[in-house]
Amino acid sequence: QVTLKESGPGILQPSQTLSLTCTFSGFSLSTYGMGVGWIRQPSGKGLEWLANIWWDDDKYYNPSLKNRLTISKDTSNNQAFLKITNVDTADTATYYCARMAGYGGYWGQGVMVTVSS
Amino acid sequence: DTVLTQSPALAVSLGQRVTISCRASKSVSTYMHWYQQKSGQQPKLLIYSASNLESGVPSRFSGSGSGTDFTLTIDPVEADDIANYYCQQSNELPLTFGSGTKLEIK
Repeated sequence: QVTLKESGPGILQPSQTLSLTCTFSGFSLSTYGMGVGWIRQPSGKGLEWLANIWWDDDKYYNPSLKNRLTISKDTSNNQAFLKITNVDTADTATYYCARMAGYGGYWGQGVMVTVSS
Repeated sequence: DTVLTQSPALAVSLGQRVTISCRASKSVSTYMHWYQQKSGQQPKLLIYSASNLESGVPSRFSGSGSGTDFTLTIDPVEADDIANYYCQQSNELPLTFGSGTKLEIK
């Protein structure tokens, strides 16, 4: 059974760094072809793909967030991470991680993140 | 970026057939996928690679299309299908989603 669960700070202030963790089970990020992606969704709005990391440590980012994103993984502990630097109120959203190989077959329940001063 | 265009909302009667469209700004071959998102829940994969039904998804759902024009069909529509539906392309990076179609009951 594949499960994913996101965790994060809940609330942070503008200019801080957002650190998110995705803890998963039922698959391994060391298996050929596996990938984990991060997607976010502001309240009442659509979905925005942020980044993907693959079994071979290839990483891909959404250029719209320029150089603010860093994705990484801890294969031995079945976790993936996303950092977003210099957050702004526009980064307020629910953040999802998903097992993604082009498309997201399994999603976590999401974690709400609010950026507010 | 590949822009995906969806109609904002559709109203349908229970038991009827509905088609939800997604148009891509450039060809994505068959690298198009569909999700259902109910209120307060995470998205759920329905269709992958344009026409493949994800395991466990009712056969009332089907997908078709290639290139730039895609459709998700629900036949017949049930009350449990009230949700937002999103298309997503994986033909090129960045991965992009449509803005979603809200399915409403008449």
